[in-house]
Amino acid sequence: RKEVEQDPGPFNVPEGATVAFNCTYSNSASQSFFWYRQDCRKEPKLLMSVYSSGNEDGRFTAQLNRASQYISLLIRDSKLSDSATYLCVVDNFNKFYFGSGTKLNVKP
Amino acid sequence: SAVISQKPSRDICQRGTSLTIQCQVDSQVTMMFWYRQQPGQSLTLIATANQGSEATYESGFVIDKFPISRPNLTFSTLTVSNMSPEDSSIYLCSVRTGNSNQPQHFGDGTRLSIL
Repeated sequence: RKEVEQDPGPFNVPEGATVAFNCTYSNSASQSFFWYRQDCRKEPKLLMSVYSSGNEDGRFTAQLNRASQYISLLIRDSKLSDSATYLCVVDNFNKFYFGSGTKLNVKP
Repeated sequence: SAVISQKPSRDICQRGTSLTIQCQVDSQVTMMFWYRQQPGQSLTLIATANQGSEATYESGFVIDKFPISRPNLTFSTLTVSNMSPEDSSIYLCSVRTGNSNQPQHFGDGTRLSIL
């Protein structure tokens, strides 16, 4: 079983839509969690950390459910510039495990 | 966050040759890592670069193929040895400042093609 699993998508949504991605992880002892964004032919860039109580950064909301071992990312009011691949990342004792990424296409 | 410079940004190499990729950070960092991202795939950790000692390699990666140096807290190199077309990939350096709960930050990668 993979350490981190994500729906690869693509999610094709119109501008202004709300879209949610989920990610599951296998190791219940995982310590910290992140969402990264990767544009085509670019390096991954940190979008946000995911905290146990959930956290929000502008249009982006991340949530963690330790009991069910999943992480979510909600994007509100999607912009064209949100089009990218979103990587779910789990930290197990200083070793990062990356999901395969969920591709988002925001269309005019 | 730290500024990470990786070079070369891309290269095209002949089969059987070796290439060394450099990663320079503008501040001292606790941890440095090397990843590979093959076309259409997610990131796979090659090794953790340890300052002053041998790198810690992940399953499937060996020192003879991917020798790594980390002479200080701001610099590391990854060599891809005896390259074959299967080594065509993006190689990424990342750093982590502090320990637990801190994210990693990536260099902009080296796009390597083997003919």
